[in-house]
Amino acid sequence: NAGVMQNPRHLVRRRGQEARLRCSPMKGHSHVYWYRQLPEEGLKFMVYLQKENIIDESGMPKERFSAEFPKEGPSILRIQQVVRGDSAAYFCASSPAGGPDTQYFGPGTRLTVL
Amino acid sequence: AQSVTQLGSHVSVSEGALVLLRCNYSSSVPPYLFWYVQYPNQGLQLLLKYTTGATLVKGINGFEAEFKKSETSFHLTKPSAHMSDAAEYFCAVTPFSGGYNKLIFGAGTRLAVHP
Repeated sequence: NAGVMQNPRHLVRRRGQEARLRCSPMKGHSHVYWYRQLPEEGLKFMVYLQKENIIDESGMPKERFSAEFPKEGPSILRIQQVVRGDSAAYFCASSPAGGPDTQYFGPGTRLTVL
Repeated sequence: AQSVTQLGSHVSVSEGALVLLRCNYSSSVPPYLFWYVQYPNQGLQLLLKYTTGATLVKGINGFEAEFKKSETSFHLTKPSAHMSDAAEYFCAVTPFSGGYNKLIFGAGTRLAVHP
């Protein structure tokens, strides 16, 4: 899973600012999942994307959150006008296909909102 | 709907003792089940998974888990704990619907290993 890259590893934002989290999947993987881990909790699914398509965003908050996975470049999770409750670890995972293939997780981005 | 319950948010064992981490799931369709380990400030690493076939699954680092449909359980075991096993362990289920693999995680169990 070391092949999934996430940056930045740590991000500090003040309330009202924007946060952009990047995820580069493993080579050859075209499926990306984003999960959020609140303090002392398990991971919660947010969104599943294939190249240029959002397939399932049922776990995304309806406002302020968006995700994309362009044809070229990393997947981006964008949080506008951050609030303290957005403080969490955000993990992305990639897989080569959409089946029950293993998801490989990145090291996560730890977002702190002041 | 699918869900996962991990009994015991904290488990402490002595080095060399048996490790048993409990996981029960709820699923309306045949589930795929996973155990992941998370070391401090790191991402998740897959320990093992059950999809179909043999119900006793062996994973990395000496861990194994048994899928018991009648008990809706997928408990993780290791015969002899090492200090390096100290970490947080997550059980996950996916209904594998729609052709993709949305993981639903339990709350996690933090394993402490003492000398």
